Amino acid sequence: GAVVSQHPSRVICKSGTSVKIECRSLDFQATTMFWYRQFPKQSLMLMATSNEGSKATYEQGVEKDKFLINHASLTLSTLTVTSAHPEDSSFYICSAPTTTNYGYTFGSGTRLTVV
Amino acid sequence: EDQVTQSPEALRLQEGESSSLNCSYTVSGLRGLFWYRQDPGKGPEFLFTLYSAGEEKEKERLKATLTKKESFLHITAPKPEDSATYLCAVRSGGSQGNLIFGKGTKLSVKP
Repeated sequence: GAVVSQHPSRVICKSGTSVKIECRSLDFQATTMFWYRQFPKQSLMLMATSNEGSKATYEQGVEKDKFLINHASLTLSTLTVTSAHPEDSSFYICSAPTTTNYGYTFGSGTRLTVV
Repeated sequence: EDQVTQSPEALRLQEGESSSLNCSYTVSGLRGLFWYRQDPGKGPEFLFTLYSAGEEKEKERLKATLTKKESFLHITAPKPEDSATYLCAVRSGGSQGNLIFGKGTKLSVKP
């Protein structure tokens, strides 16, 4: 139980376009979703926290107008990278707290490449 | 500031050669230390959660231990399929529930 499905797994987009990443909780209600970004050989860095029905909280240095987060339902949170640039190329992962002994469940990640 | 430091950055072992990975942490009120395995291009896969100093947990060839300042992930007689990046993360009392991750240790086990 407590599965988060993340799509797409890989996406290549042109510079200046927007990309949407979806995370769906399949068998539980995710009132909170954490969005992380991971650069090669680096930690998973928290970008923002979304809570269902309210505005997301962004970490310092993360542009909220560039990384739009929507958490309109208890089973879906989305991250939209707007006007993407090559420096936005990274691995994006979502995670939700659960009541299982795992504590947290993670999506499978999205590899974004901006060309 | 909450911080997690993992060492070594990379570790190469021969099959059957046991070793340990280290995770040092400074955190304001530890509310859990987590170990994950991450394969290339995948999300983290849960291994263990430890909550208090002295706690130990085991799973197959892996054993995690916790002190007040660090955690160790011991790998006994590793196999090539244990090759992956191992991530350590903490949840602090000062966080909004998110985890703070180390950079990971990339483990390669050669047959």
